[in-house]
Amino acid sequence: SYELTQPPSVSVSPGQTASITCSGDKLGDKYACWYQQKPGQSPVVVIYQDTKRPSGIPERFSGSNSGNTATLTISGTQAMDEADYYCQAWDSSTVVFGGGTKLTVL
Amino acid sequence: QVQLVQSGAEVKKPGASVKVSCKASGYTFTSYDINWVRQATGQGLEWMGWMNPNSGKTGYAQKFQGRVTMTRNTSISTAYMELSSLRSEDTAMYYCARYYSSCLDPWGQGTLVTVSS
Repeated sequence: SYELTQPPSVSVSPGQTASITCSGDKLGDKYACWYQQKPGQSPVVVIYQDTKRPSGIPERFSGSNSGNTATLTISGTQAMDEADYYCQAWDSSTVVFGGGTKLTVL
Repeated sequence: QVQLVQSGAEVKKPGASVKVSCKASGYTFTSYDINWVRQATGQGLEWMGWMNPNSGKTGYAQKFQGRVTMTRNTSISTAYMELSSLRSEDTAMYYCARYYSSCLDPWGQGTLVTVSS
């Protein structure tokens, strides 16, 4: 079955750039989504179709997807960005999630 | 605004079944698939399956085949997920989410299902 791999944790200082990767076989041939989940809340889409940002999501969130890796980049990271982030793709009509990355802003 | 509102928390005994509802508003219910995802406390997201509210067609994750049933009532724009033969490992938050632009958006608020004797 298809798998997506994320680093369990990423740390970043306020104002710096955070990058979270998501790896999967030929992931670049699929659309990648990124979700942000804060404690006690439902996941929210921050990037869809690899690079698009939903309305209401700050411009500091951006995405890319090529080869075997999709990347979520948060520029000028703020304390409010501390959360769990999940990547997601479709494979053979099934949804696949990465294991999630805990972003710590310190 | 587009919104999915789920039913309240449930406590079930091992071996029982649970049925969670997901009421859609703010869009045409039959135009977008509904997916179900669960999350155990402190764990990641686990996809369970999808349902097309227009046709009723479903697709389930292999792990849940034979134990999960997804249905809908189009007259009240509500989707349902029923999980049977519950065991303690099924204790989790269960979410419904609309399929939109290759992603799941939005998500319901979640329904906590606790399986305990």
